[in-house]
Amino acid sequence: DVKVTQSSRYLVKRTGEKVFLECVQDMDHENMFWYRQDPGLGLRLIYFSYDVKMKEKGDIPEGYSVSREKKERFSLILESASTNQTSMYLCASSSGDRGPYQPQHFGDGTRLSIL
Amino acid sequence: DAKTTQPNSMESNEEEPVHLPCNHSTISGTDYIHWYRQLPSQGPEYVIHGLTSNVNNRMASLAIAEDRKSSTLILHRATLRDAAVYYCPWESEKLVFGKGTKLTVNP
Repeated sequence: DVKVTQSSRYLVKRTGEKVFLECVQDMDHENMFWYRQDPGLGLRLIYFSYDVKMKEKGDIPEGYSVSREKKERFSLILESASTNQTSMYLCASSSGDRGPYQPQHFGDGTRLSIL
Repeated sequence: DAKTTQPNSMESNEEEPVHLPCNHSTISGTDYIHWYRQLPSQGPEYVIHGLTSNVNNRMASLAIAEDRKSSTLILHRATLRDAAVYYCPWESEKLVFGKGTKLTVNP
């Protein structure tokens, strides 16, 4: 079974801090994604990557950056955390060619609170 | 922008079939229709996807309208473990998840 592991289930940080959310997948998937999920808004795509060192903006990239130095790891970075970035963050991976045709496998999420 | 329209919530009884509708009126001819579900305190889980014809797997069936503007996810016999939020994202470049339908299954 595919396993997507997010480094923390719960995280509390302070406004202005630089925050790193880590995601690792164990199935040699080419594609990796970061979403945030807020009540009433569903899942929204922040960034995605189709290959090592590649990244593409999703729908809400402002205030975030990403890093993909190794195929299995995709990091989401909050450059200067703000309270409106308090949310559930979900990482996903998928195999195959570019595009969403292959099923995405999700981690269980990191609930991030910015105080 | 890829938009889907789903009912906010639906209710079913255990052991009965459930038909979850989704409208995707702006879909193009080459975009796949996907269904995912999210159980409480978990990330979303892939259920099924298709392009034009109906699809079946061990979890569910997917019925796609002839004009592809709508689709229906069919759970043949709902169980308590099927209680979840169901999403029907689509788009050729990336999946766009809407707010989904919260399914309640009554014992």
